[in-house]
Amino acid sequence: NAGVTQTPKFQVLKTGQSMTLQCAQDMNHNSMYWYRQDPGMGLRLIYYSASEGTTDKGEVPNGYNVSRLNKREFSLRLESAAPSQTSVYFCASRSRLAEETQYFGPGTRLLVL
Amino acid sequence: QKEVEQDPGPLSVPEGAIVSLNCTYSNSAFQYFMWYRQYSRKGPELLMYTYSSGNKEDGRFTAQVDKSSKYISLFIRDSQPSDSATYLCAMSATRGSTLGRLYFGRGTQLTVWP
Repeated sequence: NAGVTQTPKFQVLKTGQSMTLQCAQDMNHNSMYWYRQDPGMGLRLIYYSASEGTTDKGEVPNGYNVSRLNKREFSLRLESAAPSQTSVYFCASRSRLAEETQYFGPGTRLLVL
Repeated sequence: QKEVEQDPGPLSVPEGAIVSLNCTYSNSAFQYFMWYRQYSRKGPELLMYTYSSGNKEDGRFTAQVDKSSKYISLFIRDSQPSDSATYLCAMSATRGSTLGRLYFGRGTQLTVWP
């Protein structure tokens, strides 16, 4: 039981390049989330998916797109990376039976030059 | 004004000290209150949660919620170097929603030195 997994762990991009961050959970959770964490800013919600087939914008969605591929997988795409998107990205999932608990992945460190 | 305010510290204490971490919030609809611990270069992990007002104890950790003051606290007794981490408070407004969106504080960086 791996919990929430994220790939890659670390990535360097040049401005304008695109990439997809992958997230998968094996806990049969309905809801999944993408956050970014920046120094002094805490965790900020980018997008979320309350259930398979639905996605909604969070606090800072500009410059990102998401896909809820199935119940297990939720990907985050940067179409044209910008230096302001340099951050640590965390994926999380939550069971409907445990609203107070979100389980986080290990994170992806992204550097945009 | 952010919905959840948390002093980022850093906080540095000697081993064995009692640590007090705090958050304030503005949204009176928050019902669930959580503390996450995040070690360096790791993802946040749930440490404790409480519902509405009151106290909850788990070993050396005690979480307190005062909804009348919109103030929550986490106390760590007999602190250990292994407690050195960033502590994030988080809150959720609704239990019935399928979303369960969490609102996070900025986190307080704690160092416990031997």
